[in-house]
Amino acid sequence: QVRLVESGGGVVQPGRSLRLSCAASGFTFSSYAMHWVRQAPGKGLEWVAVISYDAVHKNYADSVKGRFTVSRDDSKNTLYMEMNSLRADDTATYYCARDTFDGVRNYGMDVWGQGTTVTVSS
Amino acid sequence: EVVMTQSPLSLPVTLGQPASISCRSSQSLVYGDGNTYLNWFQQRPGQSPRRLIYKVSNRDSGVPDRFSGSGSGTDFTLKISRVEAEDVAVYYCMQGTHWPPYTFGQGTKLEI
Repeated sequence: QVRLVESGGGVVQPGRSLRLSCAASGFTFSSYAMHWVRQAPGKGLEWVAVISYDAVHKNYADSVKGRFTVSRDDSKNTLYMEMNSLRADDTATYYCARDTFDGVRNYGMDVWGQGTTVTVSS
Repeated sequence: EVVMTQSPLSLPVTLGQPASISCRSSQSLVYGDGNTYLNWFQQRPGQSPRRLIYKVSNRDSGVPDRFSGSGSGTDFTLKISRVEAEDVAVYYCMQGTHWPPYTFGQGTKLEI
């Protein structure tokens, strides 16, 4: 079955970096755009980034633009998020999610991973 | 950026009774191809989000038929015909028409 497993979360000091990974299985990873979505403790969902199936197009939320970089390695069926200059307000559970495409439009997430927690604190 | 506004933010319900959640967008979610990319997600306590409904009214595989979505333009509704205990969760609407960014509603907490 379709499965997404995030890893790489942890406690990090403000200003430092962290790399998240998301291992995909059960579907043709290279055919799908992929998202990162985060959820601060007790808060709602915030879209963070999307990468196209071919890695040509990448889009970011304004809150992370210039600090976070999304990438993928289709040979490893893995999605990544490089997070630099981390701030306290980046503290959240980070989910990877598969995109949906109807032949005309990419329009958001269907399958989600279980999430990995990032805590930015001194 | 399209702002998604849900109401109510908290919804006390009685088992076996219906429930309804409203979601409004700050601009029309109709795309140029005529589709409306409005999705609903359920997040049970301690779990990841799960998509229930896509493109306004299409139920995902495995979603009970007591869940239904409706609406058009800027006004959308998620309805549960008869609430069950397993439906306790936070429900989010999300638009996939005008991105980036994809935007979510604030979430509605369904409580028994």
